[in-house]
Amino acid sequence: GNSVTQMEGPVTLSEEAFLTINCTYTATGYPSLFWYVQYPGEGLQLLLKATKADDKGSNKGFEATYRKETTSFHLEKGSVQVSDSAVYFCALSVDSSASKIIFGSGTRLSIRP
Amino acid sequence: GAVVSQHPSWVICKSGTSVKIECRSLDFQATTMFWYRQFPKQSLMLMATSNEGSKATYEQGVEKDKFLINHASLTLSTLTVTSAHPEDSSFYICSAKIPGQGYSPLHFGNGTRLTVT
Repeated sequence: GNSVTQMEGPVTLSEEAFLTINCTYTATGYPSLFWYVQYPGEGLQLLLKATKADDKGSNKGFEATYRKETTSFHLEKGSVQVSDSAVYFCALSVDSSASKIIFGSGTRLSIRP
Repeated sequence: GAVVSQHPSWVICKSGTSVKIECRSLDFQATTMFWYRQFPKQSLMLMATSNEGSKATYEQGVEKDKFLINHASLTLSTLTVTSAHPEDSSFYICSAKIPGQGYSPLHFGNGTRLTVT
């Protein structure tokens, strides 16, 4: 079946540190991959996506590259800020309109000033 | 921008009673909405796809008589947890897409935390 496994949290970093949140997936066919973010008190929102192998999604300084050979989509940011504190969800979709999303368990990130 | 609103944000009910959760698209019409459930420290699990004017499509293992979904208008879908039990306590989240935009992202509500005592 289709599933997403991501790094367990919580992750606590100092401001300006380098961030990596690992994500691997299992899927039939060729999934699209996503990172969603949930800031405190808000709903989930799309952070970035990649729809085919070797695509790199990027937004707000975050990046993730679709690696088919390792079935991974790790999230990275070179210098985190306090405002990046949130819960991050890795996700995939195997339908063409990306309506049915399968989520990982989420990783809580806390950034210390 | 597009916003999906859920109400209530939290609810406590007694075992055996029913609880209704509303999901509204505030500035767009959503022919399809999705309901998710999240247990502590676990993934969001898709429960069902709510279709305006027709029956909802439930994922495998989700009891349709337990979780009643009604999508009576283009801006409102409701999830009713019937005869609630403590094991139904969870975080329920809805989402919707702006129709006709192909690969547009899902818009999520803030979720409803249900506690059954």
